[in-house]
Amino acid sequence: IVMTQSPDSLAVSLGERATINCKSSQTVTQSSSRLTNLTWYQQRPGQPPKLLIYWASTRQSGVPDRFVGRGSGSDFTLTISSVQVEDVAVYFCQQYFTTPWTFGQGTRVDIK
Amino acid sequence: QVQLLESGPGPLKPSETLSLTCTVSGVSIDGGTNYWTWIRQRPGQGLEWIGYIFNAGSAHYNPTLKSRATMSGDTSKGRLSLTLTSVTAADTAVYFCARSKSEARGVMEAWGQGTLVTVSS
Repeated sequence: IVMTQSPDSLAVSLGERATINCKSSQTVTQSSSRLTNLTWYQQRPGQPPKLLIYWASTRQSGVPDRFVGRGSGSDFTLTISSVQVEDVAVYFCQQYFTTPWTFGQGTRVDIK
Repeated sequence: QVQLLESGPGPLKPSETLSLTCTVSGVSIDGGTNYWTWIRQRPGQGLEWIGYIFNAGSAHYNPTLKSRATMSGDTSKGRLSLTLTSVTAADTAVYFCARSKSEARGVMEAWGQGTLVTVSS
């Protein structure tokens, strides 16, 4: 499954909203359970990725509620409702519907 | 709290074998429903799933590695290992080990810091 993110990068002002799109080449929503096998990770410079969201919209424990994941099927978004300095990072989506698990190419978020 | 620490070799030459270790603390590598995943990130690029090992036993690999990869676990030492044979410059990357959530094997909830592997003639 090919994961494609857009845009490749974006710059927003502090406190403004940032939206990242992710599209899969086929559905990653289970027909039986309706669970969606999609995660979002944040990778700050020089750090490993950090899990933000799984099942497309479930926040990992400790993740601020300004991070919101939405979507099902093959179209997804990650929204940062009010961007903070510490949100400067590269964000990756990943599908775990089927192996090989695959990642989007990443979206860089900077402060304008 | 689980912690993971990767360690690896110095620079490698093409055709050599890469051997990496991931030392796990805070949890037994064969306790419960533990999926341990290896992922790599080529310089300035995205993430590539290498494979996972389940409870330090059964493993599942990315077909793109064409059988070059082998994962194993040593429960007595709390260590996971990744071996990659016949390396080329394309294997130059930061290699991460990660632990998956018990309810979703494809969700990596804890990551090591990663170790850089360089392949150059």
